[in-house]
Amino acid sequence: EAQVLESGGGLVYTGGSLRLSCTVSGLAFDTYTMSWVRQAPGKGLEWVSSIRGSGSGTYYPDSVKGRFTSSRDNSKNIVYLRMDSLRVEDTAIYYCARGRGYRNSWYYFDYWGQGTPVTVSS
Amino acid sequence: EIVLTQSPGTLSLSPGERATLSCRASQSVIGNYLAWYQQKPGQAPRLLIYDASSRTTGVPDRFSGSGSGTDFSLTITRLEPEDFAVYYCQQYGSSPETFGQGTKVEIK
Repeated sequence: EAQVLESGGGLVYTGGSLRLSCTVSGLAFDTYTMSWVRQAPGKGLEWVSSIRGSGSGTYYPDSVKGRFTSSRDNSKNIVYLRMDSLRVEDTAIYYCARGRGYRNSWYYFDYWGQGTPVTVSS
Repeated sequence: EIVLTQSPGTLSLSPGERATLSCRASQSVIGNYLAWYQQKPGQAPRLLIYDASSRTTGVPDRFSGSGSGTDFSLTITRLEPEDFAVYYCQQYGSSPETFGQGTKVEIK
């Protein structure tokens, strides 16, 4: 059975940094893109990063580009999200999810973790 | 980026009734690459439908997706108690992948 487990969330002050981790089991980890999706309190879902299986391609929306960096260690089945220059508006639950797609598409998300909360305070 | 607008914001229905949720895109969704998710309070989203109309494994057949271009819908033919939740659509034909703001299906 596939399991996705996030960790590393917590309280940080504006301008600070945090690194989230996502450990995956039960999936062919290095074959698939892994993504992060966040949800601000009481709000909807926002995609924040994707990293290809080989780690060779990373993708971000403009809202986090230049501040967030995704990486992965395929030997440990872990994907990371390094978040720098954090802002109050980055406060959210951060979900790790497997991305699925096709040669001519981007990603939908089929396996999700339970999320890790990040609070950015001024 | 493509903006997805879901309607209605809230749908108040009784168990056994039919639910029809709408998702309208600001421009045509390439490949009709649209997914639907269900989210219950305190839980992660759950993938229901991908490629506009393909049900993922384990999703009951009372859930169906349809549509193309800019207009998509999710239909739940007979609401079960466990179906009351928030539903999100998401397009993945263009980057950035974007989500609708959600439709809450609540018990009337």
